Amino acid sequence: GAGVSQTPSNKVTEKGKYVELRCDPISGHTALYWYRQSLGQGPEFLIYFQGTGAADDSGLPNDRFFAVRPEGSVSTLKIQRTERGDSAVYLCASSLKGTSGAQTQYFGPGTRLLVL
Amino acid sequence: ILNVEQSPQSLHVQEGDSTNFTCSFPSSNFYALHWYRWETAKSPEALFVMTLNGDEKKKGRISATLNTKEGYSYLYIKGSQPEDSATYLCASSPSGTYKYIFGTGTRLKVLA
Repeated sequence: GAGVSQTPSNKVTEKGKYVELRCDPISGHTALYWYRQSLGQGPEFLIYFQGTGAADDSGLPNDRFFAVRPEGSVSTLKIQRTERGDSAVYLCASSLKGTSGAQTQYFGPGTRLLVL
Repeated sequence: ILNVEQSPQSLHVQEGDSTNFTCSFPSSNFYALHWYRWETAKSPEALFVMTLNGDEKKKGRISATLNTKEGYSYLYIKGSQPEDSATYLCASSPSGTYKYIFGTGTRLKVLA
């Protein structure tokens, strides 16, 4: 079956602009996660959705970052007033239930964001 | 250890060599340890999830072990092939959470 897909695969924007990154999880997966990998770092947790609600948004770096999942499937990560430090690979993952840390998270290929 | 650490950061091996990497994680509050393989321009691929001290998992030429008391896991690749070239990530999942805490990865290059 289809895996997790993310669009766009690459995004170049200018400092101060608004961007939206989209994630299509595996069908039937109720849990959805966003991570960010900056250069030289491992992926860092941003936000976790269980169904339509954000169960944990403690990893969002500041109020310029926001994510939604209105119908419990597709999710959009929104970044306002982008800064050069936002340049990173943004990874989305989904899992069947998300109720346990032993559950495998299935990742998309990521969106490479470059802020000039 | 407060963070998840991986070593080495990168390595080059010859085709046919066997190799191994280390992942160190906080042993307190541990719940699960995950290994992923991430090839350039592809999605990270789940290799193993381990929860119990002494766990050993195997998938073809790749295997992994887990020591939860001392907080480390080893990933072994036997008879490395060029297609094994990738970044290998480990992630710890603390008890009571669903989040993964990733290491910075080990970048493996297998030379033909």
